Amino acid sequence: ETGVTQSPTHLIKTRGQQVTLRCSSQSGHNTVSWYQQALGQGPQFIFQYYREEENGRGNFPPRFSGLQFPNYSSELNVNALELDDSALYLCASSTGLAGGLEQYFGPGTRLTVT
Amino acid sequence: EDQVTQSPEALRLQEGESSSLNCSYTVSGLRGLFWYRQDPGKGPEFLFTLYSAGEEKEKERLKATLTKKESFLHITAPKPEDSATYLCAASSGSARQLTFGSGTQLTVLP
Repeated sequence: ETGVTQSPTHLIKTRGQQVTLRCSSQSGHNTVSWYQQALGQGPQFIFQYYREEENGRGNFPPRFSGLQFPNYSSELNVNALELDDSALYLCASSTGLAGGLEQYFGPGTRLTVT
Repeated sequence: EDQVTQSPEALRLQEGESSSLNCSYTVSGLRGLFWYRQDPGKGPEFLFTLYSAGEEKEKERLKATLTKKESFLHITAPKPEDSATYLCAASSGSARQLTFGSGTQLTVLP
């Protein structure tokens, strides 16, 4: 069984630029959630995709957007990067609303904005 | 607003010295309470899900318990390899999104 994978591992961007992060969900999972984890803090929910539709959103501005593809992989896009966007971005997959609640996390993408 | 608070922020134990980590939660419509382990620079690793007050789950040296307001992660006779940050999270809402605490950083000294 393949776990959740994310790419790239690390990324350095300049303030004002745009970034795309990618996630492949665990085999058999159709739901993907994205979280932002600042240093020393717990992860914060950004949004969730279920069957290619956004299914819930946390307290993040519209410049954070996403996509889910038919194979259930997902992208997180962040426009107009700010210094405070520097964080570990985590993707988690699960079996969907009719299944179990457990979310399984990938290794994360470390984004640094300078 | 959903809130999850973990204590202590950091805990240092000698190998073999048992202790407990606390997670207090205020969540509307709790669907489940989760414990994760996170090693530095890595994603959280799933440990347990608890659904109702009185429920207990065990895995090796770890046991998680749940009341209506709190969850505890008991660590019995810990080893240095148990050193990590332990995160507690509550699931709620239509998206069953996780609300995390800030974690307890556990260090077990040999």
